[in-house]
Amino acid sequence: GDSVTQMEGPVTLSEEAFLTINCTYTATGYPSLFWYVQYPGEGLQLLLKATKADDKGSNKGFEATYRKETTSFHLEKGSVQVSDSAVYFCALNGRANQFYFGTGTSLTVIP
Amino acid sequence: NAGVTQTPKFRVLKTGQSMTLLCAQDMNHEYMYWYRQDPGMGLRLIHYSVGEGTTAKGEVPDGYNVSRLKKQNFLLGLESAAPSQTSVYFCASSFDRAGNQPQHFGDGTRLSIL
Repeated sequence: GDSVTQMEGPVTLSEEAFLTINCTYTATGYPSLFWYVQYPGEGLQLLLKATKADDKGSNKGFEATYRKETTSFHLEKGSVQVSDSAVYFCALNGRANQFYFGTGTSLTVIP
Repeated sequence: NAGVTQTPKFRVLKTGQSMTLLCAQDMNHEYMYWYRQDPGMGLRLIHYSVGEGTTAKGEVPDGYNVSRLKKQNFLLGLESAAPSQTSVYFCASSFDRAGNQPQHFGDGTRLSIL
């Protein structure tokens, strides 16, 4: 069945460090891929998405490229800020329009 | 711009009590979903609906019931609450089944069962 695996956290980085959060997926067909962000006490918010192979989603300095050959959608940011501290979820839209989420990666950025 | 609104935001129940969580969306979305979020387990789909009057089971439906009598509302019921149902519950909605539309989430309901 469809599933998403993302790197476990927590991840702690210093401000201005480079961020990578790994995400791989298993799916039949050609799913759309998403990254969501969850700030403390809030619901999930869409961060970026990619709908087909080789697409690059980007938003607020974050990027992720849909790699069909490696079934991956890794999240990257060149220079993180304290305000980026949150939990990040990788997700895919699979069969019957059901979403499958990874377990989440907690990021803490220290000044 | 309300988006997806969940009520209540917090609730404490005793084992065996019943309650209903309400989700309302004002975006005219066809699809609505209920998830639970537990530490280390991400989000797990409880039930979902592909339109008014329809419901379907997700990954963890046992102990829950749902109803979608109006397009904008999706209710999640616990008939006899158990401590294992202590969790944060999220409602979400999406526009269509094209596959490239994101889900929009509410802020969650934090439910504790004593």
